[in-house]
Amino acid sequence: DAKTTQPTSMDCAEGRAANLPCNHSTISGNEYVYWYRQIHSQGPQYIIHGLKNNETNEMASLIITEDRKSSTLILPHATLRDTAVYYCIAASSNTGKLIFGQGTTLQVKP
Amino acid sequence: DTGVSQDPRHKITKRGQNVTFRCDPISEHNRLYWYRQTLGQGPEFLTYFQNEAQLEKSRLLSDRFSAERPKGSFSTLEIQRTEQGDSAMYLCASSTRTGMGTEAFFGQGTRLTVV
Repeated sequence: DAKTTQPTSMDCAEGRAANLPCNHSTISGNEYVYWYRQIHSQGPQYIIHGLKNNETNEMASLIITEDRKSSTLILPHATLRDTAVYYCIAASSNTGKLIFGQGTTLQVKP
Repeated sequence: DTGVSQDPRHKITKRGQNVTFRCDPISEHNRLYWYRQTLGQGPEFLTYFQNEAQLEKSRLLSDRFSAERPKGSFSTLEIQRTEQGDSAMYLCASSTRTGMGTEAFFGQGTRLTVV
């Protein structure tokens, strides 16, 4: 599975868009980009995933560059409840195994 | 459907004792995963099942750890002769493979403290 690189921490003002970057320069053709988040003491929560095209759901948007070497998770209107550790993972659907890195700690501030 | 359920939520045990955790996946999910998470770290993959078959085990899973998934439904993770280093959150996740990638849904975890 490809390794991903994320900033250690980010701040965002409440009500503003939070843009979380992720580099996955060694991603292979059959690997999807997944985003999960983990709020303190809870299990990780699935947010969104994509292969090549940009994706949007009720929680977030995922923008994947054309060369697939990086992506950005966008939370359009961050709230205090979005404060969490966000994990970007590149993984094949063959096994569904997820290799978590350190993630980005997003702090949403009032 | 109430999602992935793990039991117990918390377990305190003395060093050297055996412990067993249970995971009930989402009912139609044929894949089940176990992860371990220590403080300040991301979850680490331990093992996964497709139906009742255990298809992959991490090198992190020492001989003291064993996982089963009889009949492809719930799963158990047993740790024998627990050590203080086993103290962690043990997470279970389930998924079903589709042609569009695989979303895994996690339980709330079992927090193990070995004293």
